[in-house]
Amino acid sequence: EEVLVESGGGLVQPGGSLRLTCTASGFIFGKHVMNWIRQAPGKGLEWVSLIGSSGDYSYYADSMRGRFMISRDNSKNTLHLDMNSLRAEDTAVYYCVRSQPQFAQYELWGQGTLVTVSS
Amino acid sequence: DIQMTQSPSSLSASVGDRVTISCRASQGIGSYLNWYQQKPGKAPKLLIYAATTLQSGIASRFSGDGSGTDFTLTISSLQPEDFATYYCQQGYSNLITFGQGTRLDI
Repeated sequence: EEVLVESGGGLVQPGGSLRLTCTASGFIFGKHVMNWIRQAPGKGLEWVSLIGSSGDYSYYADSMRGRFMISRDNSKNTLHLDMNSLRAEDTAVYYCVRSQPQFAQYELWGQGTLVTVSS
Repeated sequence: DIQMTQSPSSLSASVGDRVTISCRASQGIGSYLNWYQQKPGKAPKLLIYAATTLQSGIASRFSGDGSGTDFTLTISSLQPEDFATYYCQQGYSNLITFGQGTRLDI
């Protein structure tokens, strides 16, 4: 079974940092583009970042660029999101998501991990 | 960024109804349009990709249409399990954007 499991969420103070991890199993992780997508409480979906299958390229949403960094370790089947200078508006469930490159369709989702930015 | 606008924002319907949700892109995106269903407390599920292609395992009552800037998701005969929130998403640009969602209620 193909599974993505996120970890690392929690409560962090404004201005703080957090690292999210996604562990993949049941498929060849190193062959797929991976993404982080978030959803603030009661709000819609917001794409955060993507990284190429070998980690050779990455893209970020405007509001995250310079504060967030996506990375992957294909030898460990893990995806990471390093989040710095966190703001209250970064509070959300963060999903790890596998996409297909042709139409950027998000075909496999993790269960999500909640990040709460509050003092 | 490409803006995606869904209509309506919410919709009330009954089991057996035919329902259509619209999604408009702020610029042409060809067929780079995907649809998702999300139920409360759950991750979204891919329904349709490339505007019209049904994802494996998705019921045939779901269908997608459109190209360029205007797209639709149609549910031909609503079932109880279809009451959820639906999102469109463009994959044309590297800066991915979603519609704001359409909540489908009984």
